[in-house]
Amino acid sequence: GEDVEQSLFLSVREGDSSVINCTYTDSSSTYLYWYKQEPGAGLQLLTYIFSNMDMKQDQRLTVLLNKKDKHLSLRIADTQTGDSAIYFCAEKAGGSYIPTFGRGTSLIVHP
Amino acid sequence: KAGVTQTPRYLIKTRGQQVTLSCSPISGHRSVSWYQQTPGQGLQFLFEYFSETQRNKGNFPGRFSGRQFSNSRSEMNVSTLELGDSALYLCASSRSGDSSYNEQFFGPGTRLTVL
Repeated sequence: GEDVEQSLFLSVREGDSSVINCTYTDSSSTYLYWYKQEPGAGLQLLTYIFSNMDMKQDQRLTVLLNKKDKHLSLRIADTQTGDSAIYFCAEKAGGSYIPTFGRGTSLIVHP
Repeated sequence: KAGVTQTPRYLIKTRGQQVTLSCSPISGHRSVSWYQQTPGQGLQFLFEYFSETQRNKGNFPGRFSGRQFSNSRSEMNVSTLELGDSALYLCASSRSGDSSYNEQFFGPGTRLTVL
């Protein structure tokens, strides 16, 4: 079945860039998402990218997609302590109703 | 517009009991999905309801069930609770639930602890 893999932890210094990586196996993935979960809260959609794109930029966030390698990354520029959270990668095939989520990457930002 | 609400936010039960969790989707949203989140397994899909019908189901035992009402509100029920059912249960709603890009909006979750 489909699988989405992420590293579990990432630690960065405030002001640096963070890069969170994700790989997926479903070659029919059409929609790829990044969600953020802050402590005690549900998931919030940060950004998404369609499989026919290779890059999307939204303020401090840059999403890169390498469809050949089935690799997705989220870059956060000028990382702040408020960016500390769990980041989930998810993919959804065009004919599917439900996305498949990775296990989440805990981003820790220290001064 | 109000977001997805889930009640209760916290719940403590003992093994063998049953529990019912409630989710009110965003007004106008017809699809409601339920997920179980644990540190060991991550986010696992339980089931999805659309227009009062279960449309998709994950790999959970029959102790986990749900339903959706005509106003799109949804409940999930877990019978004969086990220690391993301790988790954060998340509900997500989406407008149409079709297979195109379809953003899911998540509630804050219900934290269930089974003793």
